Amino acid sequence: KAGVTQTPRYLIKTRGQQVTLSCSPISGHRSVSWYQQTPGQGLQFLFEYFSETQRNKGNFPGRFSGRQFSNSRSEMNVSTLELGDSALYLCASSLTSFRETQYFGPGTRLLVL
Amino acid sequence: DQQVKQNSPSLSVQEGRISILNCDYTNSMFDYFLWYKKYPAEGPTFLISISSIKDKNEDGRFTVFLNKSAKHLSLHIVPSQPGDSAVYFCAANVPGYALNFGKGTSLLVTP
Repeated sequence: KAGVTQTPRYLIKTRGQQVTLSCSPISGHRSVSWYQQTPGQGLQFLFEYFSETQRNKGNFPGRFSGRQFSNSRSEMNVSTLELGDSALYLCASSLTSFRETQYFGPGTRLLVL
Repeated sequence: DQQVKQNSPSLSVQEGRISILNCDYTNSMFDYFLWYKKYPAEGPTFLISISSIKDKNEDGRFTVFLNKSAKHLSLHIVPSQPGDSAVYFCAANVPGYALNFGKGTSLLVTP
């Protein structure tokens, strides 16, 4: 069974731009969660989607948004990028909830210049 | 505002002994707790979880204990193995809201 895939793996953007990251969960998994990992703040939860609906949301500004498609694939969008958005963005999938075994993708490394 | 705290940034344990990783939380509304393990240059791996209606959950060498009155949970690894050397994160959740993470504890298991 293929694992969680994330594209792109690396991305360089400039301040003010917007970016879209993609995540394909493991086949059959319906819950997709997004996380931001930075050296200073550690691992922070962005949001969780299940059946195309956002079910849990972290404490991030509205510039961070996401969506989930009917095939469970998910995208995360960050608008008006700031230098502090430079981070590793991780996606994880699980059968029905992040409260059970989650499988993480390799992440997208975003650098904002 | 750090609602989940792991006060020990690092821990060193001898192979075969017990590793105890601790986590404290402040929000009494948390109803689910999780532990993750992370190796360098890899994404986290889900390890074990516990609901607030329980006080113990066991999975092989890993046991999580929850003390709601003290707002404290701990992860026990018995026996510890060198491959357990990693950073361990605890996390807690209120349904509908963020999954809150601690800063992590780096465990080193020495032969």
